[in-house]
Amino acid sequence: GAGVSQTPSNKVTEKGKYVELRCDPISGHTALYWYRQSLGQGPEFLIYFQGTGAADDSGLPNDRFFAVRPEGSVSTLKIQRTERGDSAVYLCASSSYGQDEETQYFGPGTRLLVL
Amino acid sequence: ELKVEQNPLFLSMQEGKNYTIYCNYSTTSDRLYWYRQDPGKSLESLFVLLSNGAVKQEGRLMASLDTKARLSTLHITAAVHDLSATYFCAVDKGGSYIPTFGRGTSLIVHP
Repeated sequence: GAGVSQTPSNKVTEKGKYVELRCDPISGHTALYWYRQSLGQGPEFLIYFQGTGAADDSGLPNDRFFAVRPEGSVSTLKIQRTERGDSAVYLCASSSYGQDEETQYFGPGTRLLVL
Repeated sequence: ELKVEQNPLFLSMQEGKNYTIYCNYSTTSDRLYWYRQDPGKSLESLFVLLSNGAVKQEGRLMASLDTKARLSTLHITAAVHDLSATYFCAVDKGGSYIPTFGRGTSLIVHP
């Protein structure tokens, strides 16, 4: 079946602009995660959804970052007043919550460049 | 705060050789993952390890977990060029399904 998809694959924006990144998880997966990955680093957790609600948003760096998942499927990560330091690859992953052997399935990522 | 450390961070090895990548973590956890990432690509799951003494093998890769030592190893047997990639371990925060990732081990296998 289809994997996790993310759009756009690349986004170039100017400092101070607003961006939205979209994630379409694997059908039926209740858990959805957003990560940020900088060059040479491992993915850094941002936010975790269980269904429609944000179960843990402790990784969001500040209030410029916000994410929603209104119908428990597609999620959008929103970044206001972008800064050059926001440039990174934003990864989305989904999984079936509560299954011990279950791993997270990652999407291809959105490469965000803030000029 | 959970910290995950991998070593080495960079590994250059010849085809046919064996080597081990180490992953240490700082607090008790229920679950440890190994992922592979090819350049410019996303992460691919390799193993999920759940209990002390767990060992899993797939092809030339074998992962093990020692929860008492808070240590996992990823052993590479008779390396081939196709194994060249970055390997990440990740550990769930205790009681959650939220992983903290290590910095990754960049592996290059030379002919």
